[in-house]
Amino acid sequence: KQEVTQIPAALSVPEGENLVLNCSFTDSAIYNLQWFRQDPGKGLTSLLLIQSSQREQTSGRLNASLDKSSGRSTLYIAASQPGDSATYLCALVETGANNLFFGTGTRLTVIP
Amino acid sequence: NAGVMQNPRHLVRRRGQEARLRCSPMKGHSHVYWYRQLPEEGLKFMVYLQKENIIDESGMPKERFSAEFPKEGPSILRIQQVVRGDSAAYFCASSQGQGRTEAFFGQGTRLTVV
Repeated sequence: KQEVTQIPAALSVPEGENLVLNCSFTDSAIYNLQWFRQDPGKGLTSLLLIQSSQREQTSGRLNASLDKSSGRSTLYIAASQPGDSATYLCALVETGANNLFFGTGTRLTVIP
Repeated sequence: NAGVMQNPRHLVRRRGQEARLRCSPMKGHSHVYWYRQLPEEGLKFMVYLQKENIIDESGMPKERFSAEFPKEGPSILRIQQVVRGDSAAYFCASSQGQGRTEAFFGQGTRLTVV
């Protein structure tokens, strides 16, 4: 049974720091993995999508990696800004499925 | 190109009433997914639809909940005889193809049952 875990559940960092958010999953039979951010009371914004055949994706200050064999993905945020404060969610699509299976989320606070 | 549009954004219903949540997918997207986010919990899949077809409803409660995506118009998630435990944020997502393609989410409908 798939389990997607994000550790830590909450993280506070000073502005300008580089940081890494972690996502681990128990079943490596996946099609892809997607990272989202969710602002309080708002919807989800797609950040990066990594296909199962890919190792990483980059967009601006964000870099996401995927290691299927170890069941891990990381989201690297460079030079963090207060506007990066949000909850970050990883979600994957299992092989044979169509829906996203979500992790527990990491609530990030970037302190000015 | 407008994103995924959900309405209403907030909905208050008394116990026993019906709730209707609407979702218009992004232009060019024919695949719609509904997810529920209970307070202090993660998002859970409910149902996956294509035009006029329910493809996967494995996450949908067996009673009181139904979904449709008609040939014309938005997708509708319908909850009959709402109870307090139905209070949650309901999110709709759409994609161009099946689940292996990138999903885009709406702002959600926050349902409160009083």
